[in-house]
Amino acid sequence: KQEVTQIPAALSVPEGENLVLNCSFTDSAIYNLQWFRQDPGKGLTSLLLIQSSQREQTSGRLNASLDKSSGRSTLYIAASQPGDSATYLCAAQGLGSNYKLTFGKGTLLTVNP
Amino acid sequence: GAVVSQHPSRVICKSGTSVKIECRSLDFQATTMFWYRQFPKKSLMLMATSNEGSKATYEQGVEKDKFLINHASLTLSTLTVTSAHPEDSSFYICSARDDSSEQYFGPGTRLTVT
Repeated sequence: KQEVTQIPAALSVPEGENLVLNCSFTDSAIYNLQWFRQDPGKGLTSLLLIQSSQREQTSGRLNASLDKSSGRSTLYIAASQPGDSATYLCAAQGLGSNYKLTFGKGTLLTVNP
Repeated sequence: GAVVSQHPSRVICKSGTSVKIECRSLDFQATTMFWYRQFPKKSLMLMATSNEGSKATYEQGVEKDKFLINHASLTLSTLTVTSAHPEDSSFYICSARDDSSEQYFGPGTRLTVT
């Protein structure tokens, strides 16, 4: 059974800092690895999707890496802004016919002005 | 991009009553829909997977008679929480998948049972 862990559970940084969020998963047989953002009381916004054959994806100030063999992914946020404050969720998508997602508990990020 | 809606966004009901939550794919046909539940400071927990026209597959520990799922068309799935109790209060999120592997998430429904 896939288990996804995210470290740290919470992170508070001053505006402008670069930061890294960590995600680990126990079963390396994944279809892809996804990062989402969730604002309080809201649904999920997809940020980046890394296919199992890829090593990284970039979108603007965000860069996500994937090391499938070691079961790790990182989300790098450059030049953080107060608007980046949210919970960031990592999810591993399985290979079964329904491509189920297994989520971590998330990292609550606070960027202070 | 693909859009998934949920209705209602918030619902308050009395203990013992049933409440229905709708999940719709607005601009694509959803081969599969998923229902998740999220507790505060916890990860999204998959409750069940439904394929159009067939019975839902429930995850271990999820009571199928408590959480009734219907996926009657390629654009609509419903989750009915029967005989709701305060412990059923939670944030329920659906997602929908077309023929690709990508899931598109709804905005969620906050259920409060008093």
